[in-house]
Amino acid sequence: SAVISQKPSRDICQRGTSLTIQCQVDSQVTMMFWYRQQPGQSLTLIATANQGSEATYESGFVIDKFPISRPNLTFSTLTVSNMSPEDSSIYLCSVEDEGLGYTFGSGTRLTVV
Amino acid sequence: AQSVAQPEDQVNVAEGNPLTVKCTYSVSGNPYLFWYVQYPNRGLQFLLKYITGDNLVKGSYGFEAEFNKSQTSFHLKKPSALVSDSALYFCAVRDASGGSYIPTFGRGTSLIVHP
Repeated sequence: SAVISQKPSRDICQRGTSLTIQCQVDSQVTMMFWYRQQPGQSLTLIATANQGSEATYESGFVIDKFPISRPNLTFSTLTVSNMSPEDSSIYLCSVEDEGLGYTFGSGTRLTVV
Repeated sequence: AQSVAQPEDQVNVAEGNPLTVKCTYSVSGNPYLFWYVQYPNRGLQFLLKYITGDNLVKGSYGFEAEFNKSQTSFHLKKPSALVSDSALYFCAVRDASGGSYIPTFGRGTSLIVHP
């Protein structure tokens, strides 16, 4: 099964700034998914990232606010831009894993003050 | 379209008693079904999945789930609950018939096991 290293695990940021979250996978994967999770709530898909193409964003999420990079088959970043307190959340990356369905990173807990 | 419902926000059970966390789903074709657990300040951990075959699926930490096609359900069960099972549980579904490769997650059920 794939192992995902997600960084940072948590951060406290000033409003108006940006934070880039990194996910490194120990194997090559075609698709990576980025989710947002409000504390104690379900996961909301932000976008799907394929290597070599632009990410596909879900309704309500735009590239200017959440730019994603996918430079190779083992790495992706999600940037939360021009942050406001409403962006405070847990951000998770995920990959499709044949053995386990989907594997998740440990999450990034973001607080915007 | 695919969807999943977890009708209970919270399930309370005494340690040693059996537990059930409910999940129902809707897909156009055949389902792939998953259960995940999330402990505080952690990511989601895979528990078990149903792809095909036996309707009773056994997973990690003594959990099992039964796929019921007629009732479109995939309830999570454990014969004897532990306090350490207290966590947030998510059911997820994906249409196996080639539609979306993206799973849809339920809203989550908080399981509280009392000593």
